[in-house]
Amino acid sequence: SQKIEQNSEALNIQEGKTATLTCNYTNYSPAYLQWYRQDPGRGPVFLLLIRENEKEKRKERLKVTFDTTLKQSLFHITASQPADSATYLCALDMGSGYSTLTFGKGTMLLVSP
Amino acid sequence: EAGVAQSPRYKIIEKRQSVAFWCNPISGHATLYWYQQILGQGPKLLIQFQNNGVVDDSQLPKDRFSAERLKGVDSTLKIQPAKLEDSAVYLCASYGGGQETQYFGPGTRLLVL
Repeated sequence: SQKIEQNSEALNIQEGKTATLTCNYTNYSPAYLQWYRQDPGRGPVFLLLIRENEKEKRKERLKVTFDTTLKQSLFHITASQPADSATYLCALDMGSGYSTLTFGKGTMLLVSP
Repeated sequence: EAGVAQSPRYKIIEKRQSVAFWCNPISGHATLYWYQQILGQGPKLLIQFQNNGVVDDSQLPKDRFSAERLKGVDSTLKIQPAKLEDSAVYLCASYGGGQETQYFGPGTRLLVL
């Protein structure tokens, strides 16, 4: 079965810096890889989706890269703000057509002023 | 557009009791998911419906958990009898309508004493 690893420790950075979160997976490359944000007491919120034939995707201050050779995705938040503090989840969709997702444990990001 | 609705938001029960959670997905979404999220972990898929049929229930502990989506709209998840290790947040999500990804509800936080 697919195993997903995200940064195990919380990531602490200073406001204005770029945060980089890592998602590594084993076995087969997914058809789609997604990133979600989760705040305490709330459900995950979708941020970005990248397809297996895409190298990079951007949305405002967010950037996701996908390297199927390394079996890795990197998630970047540029010019980070305290409001970016949350847990970020990586999720794999193997392309069944039903958007069936397997989630990683998530990485907690803390942005200090 | 209304989001995914879940109730109750919180529930405290004693072990061996039964409990039920309710989910109403986004209108028009054919696919509905129930996830279990234990503290510090990512969401784990329990069961996935396409309309009123089950697509995947491979990780549902069927000796104690059951779920139904009789009319292909709202859904209930039941635990009977509950164990201490069932303490978690139960998330409902829906997908469809040409959207790119799943939309999550706020979750039901269950504590089993």
